[in-house]
Amino acid sequence: QVQLKESGPGLVQPSQTLSLTCTVSGFSLTSYDVHWVRQPPGKGLEWMGGIWGDGSTAYNSALKSRLSISRDTSKSQVFLKMNSLQTEDTAIYFCTPLGFWGPGTMVTVSS
Amino acid sequence: DVVLTQTPPTLSATIGQSVSISCRSSQSLLDSDGDTYLNWLLQRPGQSPQLLIYSVSNLESGVPNRFSGSGSETDFTLKISGVEAEDLGVYYCMQATHAPYTFGAGTKLELK
Repeated sequence: QVQLKESGPGLVQPSQTLSLTCTVSGFSLTSYDVHWVRQPPGKGLEWMGGIWGDGSTAYNSALKSRLSISRDTSKSQVFLKMNSLQTEDTAIYFCTPLGFWGPGTMVTVSS
Repeated sequence: DVVLTQTPPTLSATIGQSVSISCRSSQSLLDSDGDTYLNWLLQRPGQSPQLLIYSVSNLESGVPNRFSGSGSETDFTLKISGVEAEDLGVYYCMQATHAPYTFGAGTKLELK
């Protein structure tokens, strides 16, 4: 059965770099794409970027300059790195193959 | 980037009422492979989103058949035939034809 688990620091200081890990089970990263989606408190969903089964990536135009998505297929993990964080990056961050969503991880940007 | 415009932003319904949500795209979502990657998701209060419908009209496994999707190119509709209490929440359309993928702003379905 498909499972997804996002993990990360919870609290990040402004201007610092966010690193998140998505650990998946029940499917192969070489067969399915995985996307990162975020949701600021009380707001809508924003697609951040994705990594496809062949390893190619695509990013949200507004985040492209500070976002990187990678993976380790041997560990069934997908990684998100985003630098220069600001308070408006406070959100729940989800990793998802779109057909299934995990619980997400809350990230607060604050000093 | 593709802009998805959802209307209405808020929808008030009684139990048993049928409702529709519109999603209009700034460009055609027909892919070169012949498929149209327009999905509908529901986010219930306090929960993660769940996929309801993919590729315009295909019901995700386990989703009740009171949900249906239709449309083509740039105009799409989600219909709920007989709202039930568990259907309350925010509905999002999402396009996965053109990278970067994009979401609509959401339609909140609430009880009248």
